[in-house]
Amino acid sequence: KQEVTQIPAALSVPEGENLVLNCSFTDSAIYNLQWFRQDPGKGLTSLLLIQSSQREQTSGRLNASLDKSSGRSTLYIAASQPGDSATYLCAVHGTSYGKLTFGQGTILTVHP
Amino acid sequence: EAQVTQNPRYLITVTGKKLTVTCSQNMNHEYMSWYRQDPGLGLRQIYYSMNVEVTDKGDVPEGYKVSRKEKRNFPLILESPSPNQTSLYFCASIFRLAGVADTQYFGPGTRLTVL
Repeated sequence: KQEVTQIPAALSVPEGENLVLNCSFTDSAIYNLQWFRQDPGKGLTSLLLIQSSQREQTSGRLNASLDKSSGRSTLYIAASQPGDSATYLCAVHGTSYGKLTFGQGTILTVHP
Repeated sequence: EAQVTQNPRYLITVTGKKLTVTCSQNMNHEYMSWYRQDPGLGLRQIYYSMNVEVTDKGDVPEGYKVSRKEKRNFPLILESPSPNQTSLYFCASIFRLAGVADTQYFGPGTRLTVL
């Protein structure tokens, strides 16, 4: 059974700092990995999706990497802003299509 | 506007009273899914559907039913709700570009309280 773990559970940083969120998964046989953002009381917004054949994806100040063999992904946020404060979720899509497993999330607070 | 809608957004009910949470998407996606989110447990998949009349269990299907009679709708049915089903529920649909990408679109969530 796939298990996804995110570290740290919570992170508080000053504005402008670069930061890294970590995601690890136990079964490397994955279809893709997706990073989401969730604001309090809201739904999920997709940030980046990395196919199993890819090593990284970039969107603006966000960069996600994937090392399938070691079962790890990182989300790098450059020059953090207070508006980045949210919960960040990592989700792994297994090779059995339709099966999605989420990590428990990292709660990020960026203070001015 | 491409979107996934859920109704109701908030619901308080009592144990044993059957309820249905509706989910609808306007993107003609084949794949849809239901999740529940609980503190400390994260998001867990309840059921998913890969097309009309095709559904399968996720990680926590007990106590739930689903149906997929038409592509746009994927209702979640609680035949006899219990307090342990108090949770925040999300519906999602996937855009799949075969071999290239799958992007999940989530609804706004339904907060259910079972007394």
